[in-house]
Amino acid sequence: AQKITQTQPGMFVQEKEAVTLDCTYDTSDQSYGLFWYKQPSSGEMIFLIYQGSYDEQNATEGRYSLNFQKARKSANLVISASQLGDSAMYFCANEKGYSTLTFGKGTMLLVSP
Amino acid sequence: DAGITQSPRHKVTETGTPVTLRCHQTENHRYMYWYRQDPGHGLRLIHYSYGVKDTDKGEVSDGYSVSRSKTEDFLLTLESATSSQTSVYFCAISDMGRTNTEAFFGQGTRLTVV
Repeated sequence: AQKITQTQPGMFVQEKEAVTLDCTYDTSDQSYGLFWYKQPSSGEMIFLIYQGSYDEQNATEGRYSLNFQKARKSANLVISASQLGDSAMYFCANEKGYSTLTFGKGTMLLVSP
Repeated sequence: DAGITQSPRHKVTETGTPVTLRCHQTENHRYMYWYRQDPGHGLRLIHYSYGVKDTDKGEVSDGYSVSRSKTEDFLLTLESATSSQTSVYFCAISDMGRTNTEAFFGQGTRLTVV
């Protein structure tokens, strides 16, 4: 069974600092994908970044990067230069067949001025 | 933004009544999903569809049924609502085969069963 673990229920960071949100996964699949989604207080789910298991380089999307360590089965999200608008819940997810997703329980990030 | 519309957005219903939530997409994506979100659980997959009339169960399918008679519509039905089905329900779509295959989510439906 797929499992995603996010061990940080909440994180605090000051504006303009970098922050790392942890995610470990458990899968027996050889090929898989890892996603991060952001959920602001308004409730919508916003796709941030994707990493494929065979991608040789860590994924980056603007201020978001994914620190992918396959041997450790970790896929940590790094947000550089945090902004107030980054305050939200962040979910890590593992892709299974038919692009179904198994989500972690999430990390609440609060960015302070 | 991906064209996904969930209806209704909010609903309060009584225990034992049937409830149907609708998800409508304008993206012509083949794959559609229903997730529920509860505090402390993240999002969990209820059912998904990989084509018209092709559906399968997810992690938390008990008490739910789905139907997909057209590419654009995916219905989630609670045959007899229970208080444990109070939740926020998200529909998602995916176009498997593209580079990232990310799922795009609707705005969510907040369902309260009293």
